[in-house]
Amino acid sequence: DIQMTQSPSSLSASVGDRVTITCRASQNISRHLNWYQQKPGKAPKLLIYGASSLQSGVPSRFSGSGSGADCTLTISSLQPEDFATYFCQQSYSAPNTFGQGTKLEIK
Amino acid sequence: QVQLVESGGGVVHPGRSLRLSCAASGFTFSNYAMHWVRQAPGKGLEWVAVISFDGSNKHYADSVKGRFTISRDNSKDTLYVQMSSLRPEDTAVYYCARARFRGTVAGIFDPWGQGTLVTVSS
Repeated sequence: DIQMTQSPSSLSASVGDRVTITCRASQNISRHLNWYQQKPGKAPKLLIYGASSLQSGVPSRFSGSGSGADCTLTISSLQPEDFATYFCQQSYSAPNTFGQGTKLEIK
Repeated sequence: QVQLVESGGGVVHPGRSLRLSCAASGFTFSNYAMHWVRQAPGKGLEWVAVISFDGSNKHYADSVKGRFTISRDNSKDTLYVQMSSLRPEDTAVYYCARARFRGTVAGIFDPWGQGTLVTVSS
């Protein structure tokens, strides 16, 4: 199975900050990398697919980049509603594995 | 709008069985592969199983292979997972999720249902 490792595991930031979350795969996954946002008690929500394609309805302050084994999620200017947990996930091969999550908290 | 609603969760003793359902609406269910993904309390996400749009292909995580069976009824726009020989480590919120793109089982999950909690405990 492909192992997905996110860093950091947690992050404190302020409204208006630019933040970056990194996801590293245990092997080359090309651009088959997706990002999800999950708020407490809610289902995950797709933000980015194919490493950099913005899901419809997702604000443009979210962006993704990278390929191969390393990808990043960037939020250009944090908004109050962005404080949540973020998961990366590879769709390169089965089983489709997730990172452990990055909890983004208000500083 | 596209909606997925899970049901069937609850408390079950180890070794027993449970069937979860996921009712779909707002899209042509028979065009999309469907997945189950679970999340143990306070933990991360684990993909469980996928079924192709027509039910002809199914794949499972090793952790549930031989114990869980995914199925669908396209006439009822409903996805199922039959879970047997349940273990305490199967305790989780179970989400159904649609494949992002029609006709492919590729694991891009959108949207997700609200989830249903399964607790395996004596």
